[in-house]
Amino acid sequence: GENVEQHPSTLSVQEGDSAVIKCTYSDSASNYFPWYKQELGKGPQLIIDIRSNVGEKKDQRIAVTLNKTAKHFSLHIIETQPEDSAVYFCAGGDSNYQLIWGAGTKLIIKP
Amino acid sequence: DTEVTQTPKHLVMGMTNKKSLKCEQHMGHRAMYWYKQKAKKPPELMFVYSYEKLSINESVPSRFSPECPNSSLLNLHLHALQPEDSALYLCASSLAWAEETQYFGPGTRLLVL
Repeated sequence: GENVEQHPSTLSVQEGDSAVIKCTYSDSASNYFPWYKQELGKGPQLIIDIRSNVGEKKDQRIAVTLNKTAKHFSLHIIETQPEDSAVYFCAGGDSNYQLIWGAGTKLIIKP
Repeated sequence: DTEVTQTPKHLVMGMTNKKSLKCEQHMGHRAMYWYKQKAKKPPELMFVYSYEKLSINESVPSRFSPECPNSSLLNLHLHALQPEDSALYLCASSLAWAEETQYFGPGTRLLVL
């Protein structure tokens, strides 16, 4: 079955700098990769997703890239702001339409 | 309306109590999900309803009993829970089961004493 690994587990960046979170997946049949942001005490919020027929997708300060050959995808946040501090989860959609989640990355934005 | 709502926000219950969690969405989604999330962990899938029928039960103990009265509502009935069941319970919905984009509610924080 699908397995998703996420790194790093914690990422601390200076406000205004960029942050990159990486995930790898095992099932080459997976074709859907969402990213969720979870703030303390709240449910996960979908921030961006990508499907396997696209290599890159952008939405304002965030972007996701997908390398199907290497089976990895990454979240890029530019010009980080204090409100970007949260836990970020990547996930892969498996052949049973279920989401297989990464372990999460705690992003800390230092003022 | 583009959100999933959950009630209550917080719940404290004893091991002999019976309680219910509620979830509602008015986005016309036909798939609804229950997840359990422990601290510092990703959500774990418990149940999937598709067109108001239970499609997936991830070997969840019978002390958790889901119910889908209609396409907008999802309940989770709790009975004889254990302290290790304390967690954040999340509801999510998607357009259809095969449409993987899931939208989550804020969750119910459950504490079992």
